Amino acid sequence: ETGVTQTPRHLVMGMTNKKSLKCEQHLGHNAMYWYKQSAKKPLELMFVYSLEERVENNSVPSRFSPECPNSSHLFLHLHTLQPEDSALYLCASSQDYPAATYEQYFGPGTRLTVT
Amino acid sequence: TQLLEQSPQFLSIQEGENLTVYCNSSSVFSSLQWYRQEPGEGPVLLVTVVTGGEVKKLKRLTFQFGDARKDSSLHITAAQPGDTGLYLCAGTGTASKLTFGTGTRLQVTL
Repeated sequence: ETGVTQTPRHLVMGMTNKKSLKCEQHLGHNAMYWYKQSAKKPLELMFVYSLEERVENNSVPSRFSPECPNSSHLFLHLHTLQPEDSALYLCASSQDYPAATYEQYFGPGTRLTVT
Repeated sequence: TQLLEQSPQFLSIQEGENLTVYCNSSSVFSSLQWYRQEPGEGPVLLVTVVTGGEVKKLKRLTFQFGDARKDSSLHITAAQPGDTGLYLCAGTGTASKLTFGTGTRLQVTL
């Protein structure tokens, strides 16, 4: 595997379910990011981890809970989501933080549908 | 909040045509990036421009950063079906925050 991988690629969940999104980077990078991409809206940065420590949390509701157990893996735990949370969730990594200084490499995303 | 507006939102053209997409803001950015996102994939960085007035070329793609560093354009010459995708600009503003634009969805048909 090379680059940034995300699983699952598609997820349908009910509002009462609990699920997790997984991201893995094989680039030896120190920073990892979660973004939300909704139709007709700019890409929204949700969380940033640098060297396994959370360095940014951009007013994201508590029903989204990130976890970074090591520099290669990033999770987004989901619970009691709302229909408006349906979107493409993108993971990215960069050599270091911040994203504005270092090129980001994106995964293919997880398409989430909340019913 | 620094905003980046891209225009047009959607563009459908035939192979061989030329096109320009725009990325505009009322804010000054220290640098600006352009990404292309193909269907089913994440965005891929195409170029970064850092100097006002800078022009960069990547094969048939020409990127320009405005003199005042508030706007940018992407010109594609002789578009090909492989150019199809969502084009995103992203600017570096205050506190090194990266702000993404609203995107231009390009479709190139045979």
